[in-house]
Amino acid sequence: KNEVEQSPQNLTAQEGEFITINCSYSVGISALHWLQQHPGGGIVSLFMLSSGKKKHGRLIATINIQEKHSSLHITASHPRDSAVYICAVGMFTDKLIFGTGTRLQVFP
Amino acid sequence: DADVTQTPRNRITKTGKRIMLECSQTKGHDRMYWYRQDPGLGLRLIYYSFDVKDINKGEISDGYSVSRQAQAKFSLSLESAIPNQTALYFCATSPRYRREGPHTDTQYFGPGTRLTVL
Repeated sequence: KNEVEQSPQNLTAQEGEFITINCSYSVGISALHWLQQHPGGGIVSLFMLSSGKKKHGRLIATINIQEKHSSLHITASHPRDSAVYICAVGMFTDKLIFGTGTRLQVFP
Repeated sequence: DADVTQTPRNRITKTGKRIMLECSQTKGHDRMYWYRQDPGLGLRLIYYSFDVKDINKGEISDGYSVSRQAQAKFSLSLESAIPNQTALYFCATSPRYRREGPHTDTQYFGPGTRLTVL
């Protein structure tokens, strides 16, 4: 079993829809990261959180430490949100473990 | 200008050749990382360096070596490339971690190097 599991693996949506991507992990962590990988390959960090909730524009990330679960929400989705979204957990042993990503496609 | 740059961006080489991938950063960060990404797999850590004199192996360091020439430069070498090293390679940087512990700081990624070993 992978230490970081993301769901769904693939997601399609119509422009304007509310989107949720989930990340579950099985180990104790120091922080959880959400990353966005553009179709061209570049990776951008969206959030780092160790508790609670963070919001940036139309993106919201939440984490429940007790349940070892995090969600990334996109409100009012847009075609430019099409990308691969990656969850990564930081461990106290200096390791960062990445999920395999969720490929999102938003159609006009 | 990009804060984290990688050269080359694309490279095709043959089995047995020595290859060096270079990473430079202007962010002034102490910590630098090399990852590889394969289809269907998450990013995996090859090597990381917390400062110029501190270099550590990641989970898949076999077949690779690194050099931290300066705070701003971190190079990854494949001494004798093999086809299963065909992948997308990313360099990343982060500042020194805060009191909350390691990996609580944002990582900043380079644009990636697509390496093909024939």
